[in-house]
Amino acid sequence: ETGVTQTPRHLVMGMTNKKSLKCEQHLGHNAMYWYKQSAKKPLELMFVYNFKEQTENNSVPSRFSPECPNSSHLFLHLHTLQPEDSALYLCASSQDVGERVGYTFGSGTRLTVV
Amino acid sequence: DAKTTQPPSMDCAEGRAANLPCNHSTISGNEYVYWYRQIHSQGPQYIIHGLKNNETNEMASLIITEDRKSSTLILPHATLRDTAVYYCIVRVDQGSGNTGKLIFGQGTTLQVKP
Repeated sequence: ETGVTQTPRHLVMGMTNKKSLKCEQHLGHNAMYWYKQSAKKPLELMFVYNFKEQTENNSVPSRFSPECPNSSHLFLHLHTLQPEDSALYLCASSQDVGERVGYTFGSGTRLTVV
Repeated sequence: DAKTTQPPSMDCAEGRAANLPCNHSTISGNEYVYWYRQIHSQGPQYIIHGLKNNETNEMASLIITEDRKSSTLILPHATLRDTAVYYCIVRVDQGSGNTGKLIFGQGTTLQVKP
């Protein structure tokens, strides 16, 4: 356990479904991040939240909708996904976006779109 | 942020030191060198970071050349559990304790063999 918990660990969804990924941390961190890791590709930064405010969206398609209700929780709402969206989705947190020590990552949600 | 170059894969015998190289020839004076690793099907784990001095912690040592154009991560006594993908990342320090986002490359797959 790293202190960042992601649920579910595995998710299979159809292209017309709506689902949500959840990330939770009780490390007292103020910044949270979503990354996507497709097969044989580097991790791609998707969204950055700092003190509940979105500070970065790296041209992510609108079928991915993040939500950060408080500094401890981060969601990724999914709708009308494509098979190429199948990937490992990783959440991370840090004390703030300027944190030098490093990010703490969760174990990820393995998403399969069928 | 400066680009890094790492060998795609390396082998190491169990109990021996693993030396993982990284080239970052375009690194700027305000960029830190970070190392993370990702064990299969888990989120990345922070290992160590440094600016220009060599650093050591309970996990590893980081040796940065005097010109800062390359660095080496050293795992002093590799175990089978150290088998993972190791990422070398340079990350800008924007001042006032504010650093840039963490961008991952392809990394080096280290295989520790019995």
